[in-house]
Amino acid sequence: DVKVTQSSRYLVKRTGEKVFLECVQDMDHENMFWYRQDPGLGLRLIYFSYDVKMKEKGDIPEGYSVSREKKERFSLILESASTNQTSMYLCASSFQPNYGYTFGSGTRLTVV
Amino acid sequence: AQKITQTQPGMFVQEKEAVTLDCTYDTSDPSYGLFWYKQPSSGEMIFLIYQGSYDQQNATEGRYSLNFQKARKSANLVISASQLGDSAMYFCAMREGRGTGFQKLVFGTGTRLLVSP
Repeated sequence: DVKVTQSSRYLVKRTGEKVFLECVQDMDHENMFWYRQDPGLGLRLIYFSYDVKMKEKGDIPEGYSVSREKKERFSLILESASTNQTSMYLCASSFQPNYGYTFGSGTRLTVV
Repeated sequence: AQKITQTQPGMFVQEKEAVTLDCTYDTSDPSYGLFWYKQPSSGEMIFLIYQGSYDQQNATEGRYSLNFQKARKSANLVISASQLGDSAMYFCAMREGRGTGFQKLVFGTGTRLLVSP
């Protein structure tokens, strides 16, 4: 089975901190994605990557950046965390379109 | 404009009954795919079922079936014989475009299903 692993399940950070959320997949998928999930808003795409060192903005990229130096790892960076970035962050990867995405278990980030 | 619309914030069903979760979508792309995911309280997203826009038959996976009505742009999820473990958040999602390139999924806002004994 494909595994997508997010390094932290829960994180609490202070306003203004630089925050790194890490995601690793073990099935050689080209495509990786970062979403945030908020009540009543569903999942919204922040950034995605279709190859090493390639990245594309999603629907809500402001305040975030990403890094993909290796195929298996896709990092989400909050350059200066703010309270409105308190959310659940979900990483996903995919190869075959008919099977959709495989998701990690999520990181619940609280910015205080 | 919303690409995926789930109009039911919450649904209640009794154990062993069937339930339909609604999903409508909006796209001008002739090639697209529709997905349903389940998110239990633990947070992980579990893939349930897929329907391609060119598929002739409605997709089925065990107790899950997708009622695909292309002309109405609807892709409702039907869960037969509900179980207590079906209580979760359910998301409808759409992928536009062909190939293995930009497979962005757009998600709806979700429906919370509660199954009672």
